[in-house]
Amino acid sequence: DAGVTQSPTHLIKTRGQQVTLRCSPKSGHDTVSWYQQALGQGPQFIFQYYEEEERQRGNFPDRFSGHQFPNYSSELNVNALLLGDSALYLCASSLAGKNIQYFGAGTRLSVL
Amino acid sequence: GENVEQHPSTLSVQEGDSAVIKCTYSDSASNYFPWYKQELGKRPQLIIDIRSNVGEKKDQRIAVTLNKTAKHFSLHITETQPEDSAVYFCAASRGGSQGNLIFGKGTKLSVKP
Repeated sequence: DAGVTQSPTHLIKTRGQQVTLRCSPKSGHDTVSWYQQALGQGPQFIFQYYEEEERQRGNFPDRFSGHQFPNYSSELNVNALLLGDSALYLCASSLAGKNIQYFGAGTRLSVL
Repeated sequence: GENVEQHPSTLSVQEGDSAVIKCTYSDSASNYFPWYKQELGKRPQLIIDIRSNVGEKKDQRIAVTLNKTAKHFSLHITETQPEDSAVYFCAASRGGSQGNLIFGKGTKLSVKP
């Protein structure tokens, strides 16, 4: 049983570019949440997707957008990259109505 | 919005000693409190969680206590081992459809052999 998988593992972009990160949830899970983890900090909630809709959103600008596909996988898109977007982006999956979230290993994004 | 404070930021103990990490939360509607362990370069792993209708939960050497009145919860690790060395994060959530996790800033635990 595969856990939460994310791709790519590492990414280097320049300011102003756009990036797409991908996440496949744990088998049987239908809800995907995205978090940003800056170096030395706790993860910060970006948004959550359920039934292909954004159900909840944290305090992040519109440059951050997402999508969930019918197979429950998800993408995180970030436009007009800033240096401050450099971080580890974590995806977590869960089952609707259940609290437990399982995390993927993350995508390390570096913006130069 | 919800805010979670975590202390201490670093903790160093001798192997075999106990370690305690404390968190406070601000949102009285929070009802789910997980603890995650994150080793360097790895994913956060859930080690224990507690719901607001329970005051204490134990799993082998790890225990969590919750005081809803004071809005604080703590992680207790007994008989620490070098492999317990990692960063530990507490989190709080309202659960259900508002299930986003609000994390503390983390505690770096070092267990010296």
